[in-house]
Amino acid sequence: NAGVTQTPKFQVLKTGQSMTLQCAQDMNHEYMSWYRQDPGMGLRLIHYSVGAGITDQGEVPNGYNVSRSTTEDFPLRLLSAAPSQTSVYFCASSSDPGAEAFFGQGTRLTVV
Amino acid sequence: GENVEQHPSTLSVQEGDSAVIKCTYSDSASNYFPWYKQELGKGPQLIIDIRSNVGEKKDQRIAVTLNKTAKHFSLHITETQPEDSAVYFCAAFPWGKLQFGAGTQVVVTP
Repeated sequence: NAGVTQTPKFQVLKTGQSMTLQCAQDMNHEYMSWYRQDPGMGLRLIHYSVGAGITDQGEVPNGYNVSRSTTEDFPLRLLSAAPSQTSVYFCASSSDPGAEAFFGQGTRLTVV
Repeated sequence: GENVEQHPSTLSVQEGDSAVIKCTYSDSASNYFPWYKQELGKGPQLIIDIRSNVGEKKDQRIAVTLNKTAKHFSLHITETQPEDSAVYFCAAFPWGKLQFGAGTQVVVTP
């Protein structure tokens, strides 16, 4: 079982560039979410989805877009990268928001 | 919104000793409290969780306690081993979203 797969693992962007972080899960989970992890701040929720076609904002959504066209995939789009978006990004999935969340390996993003 | 505070931010323990990490939360609607362990270069992984109708839960060397009246919960690791070295996150679950604490870096020295 692959679980939650994130690509790429590392990325360097220039300010103003756009990119998509990919996330796929093979556990047939309805609930998927994106977090960013910054030193001393834990994991902060960016966007989440409770099922295909349904997304909502988390704590820090500005500068990010998501869509959920299938149960398996939940890509995160950076529209115009800024240095403040330098972070480690984690995708997670669970069968229910109040159940065990399975995390991907993370994407380390640097915006210069 | 929910605010989860976690202490200490770093914890150094001798192998074989116990480690305790404490968290407090603000929203009384929280009813699920998981703990995640994150090893270097990896994503967080659930190690234990507790729901609001239970006061304590154990799994081998790990235990979690919950005091709903005081709005705090704690992780206890006994007989620590080098492989327990990691970052530990507590979380609370109010209104459908997990809210994480800032994390505790645990270092177990031989």
